[in-house]
Amino acid sequence: EAQVTQNPRYLITVTGKKLTVTCSQNMNHEYMSWYRQDPGLGLRQIYYSMNVEVTDKGDVPEGYKVSRKEKRNFPLILESPSPNQTSLYFCASSLPVSGNTGELFFGEGSRLTVL
Amino acid sequence: RKEVEQDPGPFNVPEGATVAFNCTYSNSASQSFFWYRQDCRKEPKLLMSVYSSGNEDGRFTAQLNRASQYISLLIRDSKLSDSATYLCVAYSKGKLIFGQGTELSVKP
Repeated sequence: EAQVTQNPRYLITVTGKKLTVTCSQNMNHEYMSWYRQDPGLGLRQIYYSMNVEVTDKGDVPEGYKVSRKEKRNFPLILESPSPNQTSLYFCASSLPVSGNTGELFFGEGSRLTVL
Repeated sequence: RKEVEQDPGPFNVPEGATVAFNCTYSNSASQSFFWYRQDCRKEPKLLMSVYSSGNEDGRFTAQLNRASQYISLLIRDSKLSDSATYLCVAYSKGKLIFGQGTELSVKP
């Protein structure tokens, strides 16, 4: 089954404790991206990757890191989480994003709470 | 100003009603547009693309007005299962920009 898998789905942590949210896709997609979703603000892009070893900042990259060592994986790292990073996080993948197709495949989301 | 703006709603409508959502975008260079659907606490999924000539998919019709920089989604004969948040998306220079979504609640 074609899918994007995120882990963990739910996490409660404390300020400053490093954490990683994993994302894996089995569709051989080149493009991968991380979003956070907050009430009233919609989906905001954190980081994206056009291909292996190529990553770029999105609109809200502060406090996050990513890496793309393999095509299928795109982990999101919070080196020192703070309460303002409490949010619902989505990983997504697609073939190269173009104007012809806007279809992103999303993971089920990871709800993170930082105390 | 947000690059893609939507009325957050909620829109509360009875079953069978016709409901329309509008979305405005600020970047005139935006090349293409899409509507996504997001069920409560779940991931967004592509509903349909929006073409300049307008397009229809069953009970759903999407239209684009480039002169006024807005797109619309019309849902006819609303079903209970249409209850969800609808996200307007603009594509520009390799990026997809999401609106904050419009919540629809269809009641019996």
